[in-house]
Amino acid sequence: DADVTQTPRNRITKTGKRIMLECSQTKGHDRMYWYRQDPGLGLRLIYYSFDVKDINKGEISDGYSVSRQAQAKFSLSLESAIPNQTALYFCATSDPGGNYNEQFFGPGTRLTVL
Amino acid sequence: GEDVEQSLFLSVREGDSSVINCTYTDSSSTYLYWYKQEPGAGLQLLTYIFSNMDMKQDQRLTVLLNKKDKHLSLRIADTQTGDSAIYFCAERDYGQNFVFGPGTRLSVLP
Repeated sequence: DADVTQTPRNRITKTGKRIMLECSQTKGHDRMYWYRQDPGLGLRLIYYSFDVKDINKGEISDGYSVSRQAQAKFSLSLESAIPNQTALYFCATSDPGGNYNEQFFGPGTRLTVL
Repeated sequence: GEDVEQSLFLSVREGDSSVINCTYTDSSSTYLYWYKQEPGAGLQLLTYIFSNMDMKQDQRLTVLLNKKDKHLSLRIADTQTGDSAIYFCAERDYGQNFVFGPGTRLSVLP
């Protein structure tokens, strides 16, 4: 079973709709992250959370919000989706006490906003 | 702010060596990573190097780090078609923040 899962894997929505992307992990990591990937821009950090009570804005948080419902769950919401939020979204986790502190990524959610 | 740069595309012939280069700006980087993204998949850690090392070898992969020039490279020996993917360079600083480069799309030609 995958350690970091994301739902849905693909979503097409219309401008102005609210949409939630969900991430769950079984790795037991405290730290979770949301990134978006755009061609030629790499991964850009949207929000991150170092534990259940900690939420931090990343590089591009405008238009997004998050909720850390539990250690294992971190959701990303688009309150009113717009076309330039069309992208591939990745959730990741990390363990600061791990051997080399890598991030573990989910499979991604491809979001299209029409 | 911190920045990580990579060339966007690289094409090599099967059996040749591939060298993917990366430059970064944050001198406080503690770990530097190479991630591989295959089509339709998330990123998977390929290898990493600690900032006090200058070289690391792992089977067909060789990572070279030049801290003075803030330059990191990934060499893949005997490149195979299965190595076709996007390769991301990433750094982690003392603040536990990760910064990723734009990714280099490696195409392996038969």
